Amino acid sequence: LAKTTQPISMDSYEGQEVNITCSHNNIATNDYITWYQQFPSQGPRFIIQGYKTKVTNEVASLFIPADRKSSTLSLPRVSLSDTAVYYCLVYNQGGKLIFGQGTELSVKP
Amino acid sequence: DGGITQSPKYLFRKEGQNVTLSCEQNLNHDAMYWYRQDPGQGLRLIYYSQIVNDFQKGDIAEGYSVSREKKESFPLTVTSAQKNPTAFYLCASSIWGQGASTDTQYFGPGTRLTVL
Repeated sequence: LAKTTQPISMDSYEGQEVNITCSHNNIATNDYITWYQQFPSQGPRFIIQGYKTKVTNEVASLFIPADRKSSTLSLPRVSLSDTAVYYCLVYNQGGKLIFGQGTELSVKP
Repeated sequence: DGGITQSPKYLFRKEGQNVTLSCEQNLNHDAMYWYRQDPGQGLRLIYYSQIVNDFQKGDIAEGYSVSREKKESFPLTVTSAQKNPTAFYLCASSIWGQGASTDTQYFGPGTRLTVL
């Protein structure tokens, strides 16, 4: 499983766009990039998944450059309720996922 | 209303006692997982099961046991052999388990276990 590196924490203000970048230099050809969100004392929740270029859903966008060695989760116009820990995972099969420490996003009023 | 349920939400036990955490899913998923999360840390895999009557150890299986007698249920027993059991325990399930590139894991609300 490819190792990922992401910032430990980030601060933002309501209404701003937040971009969280994840490095995965050893990503394999068949690996997908997946992001989860976790609120305190709750289980993680799937946000978005992509393989290349750009993926967008109702919650976020995921930007993946051509070399796929990094990816950026973009949260448009964050609110206080977006305060959470965001995990970047890279894998090509189900089963054993590796959740690192994640990025703790703090949104301030 | 489909999903994963874990019970109880909070659990206290005395040192030296075994305790069983419940996990049930009605998503018709084949695979189920147990994770442990300590404060400020990511999730660590304890056990996972890809099919009924079969399960594999994760990264930190020592002191834990599981069973998978039904597709819907995957209980976790924290035994007295687990030296530091106080943690937040999360159960998850997914459709395919190993071999699926886009497999997504769905998590329950968690059980917070405190050993007194």
